[in-house]
Amino acid sequence: QSALTQPASVSGSPGQSITISCTGTSNDIGVYNYVSWYQQYPGKAPKLLIYEVNNRPSGVSNRFSGSKSGNTASLTISGLRAEDESDYYCISYTSTTTLYVFGTGTKVTVL
Amino acid sequence: EVQLLESGGGLVQRGGSLRLSCADSGLTFSTYAMSWVRQAPGKGLEWISTISASGGNTYYADSVRGRFTISRDNSENTLSLQMNSLRAEDTAIYFCASTLRYCIGGGCYSSPGAFDIWGQGTMVTVSA
Repeated sequence: QSALTQPASVSGSPGQSITISCTGTSNDIGVYNYVSWYQQYPGKAPKLLIYEVNNRPSGVSNRFSGSKSGNTASLTISGLRAEDESDYYCISYTSTTTLYVFGTGTKVTVL
Repeated sequence: EVQLLESGGGLVQRGGSLRLSCADSGLTFSTYAMSWVRQAPGKGLEWISTISASGGNTYYADSVRGRFTISRDNSENTLSLQMNSLRAEDTAIYFCASTLRYCIGGGCYSSPGAFDIWGQGTMVTVSA
């Protein structure tokens, strides 16, 4: 099972919106709505931002939103802030020999 | 609230074994599916294993299946990962994490892949 494909980097200016894509296959994102997104600062544990494609856990800012179309899931960060500069990962449930597969990760830079 | 603390990491020779533990200081450990996720230095996240709340079902990534064993002791609120036949590519920070549970319409559900509580991680280094 190969990792889900994310862009290596995405950048934006403060206040702008950016979108991070996460491309999988018909074995994972294409058939299951079990896509989550995580934010990770260097040296820290990941933090859950989105679960089941477009749901936010309690306490997560509504500037973060998720969506899915076909084999691709997306995370949108609205009103970009300096504190959003971090690494972001998607994960999906999969029907292959493994259970879950993470994305390759995206580094977000705030210009 | 679930609080997780990993231990057991360290330096081990290739082919050796190590046992990681993850202690939960909360009161409802037995209701959560638990997982291990690792991150090699400078690399991305890799899911490696999950165990159901009861311990009756276990799942592994292809990269560790047959070498690693996940287990839990719900009476001690502890999750474990027995790692055998270690390889250089197993060098990573190992995180334990619990799966998000939510209740709706009178029922409670786990959300697959939604790891809402994480430990701080424990470093495993496999020397060649």
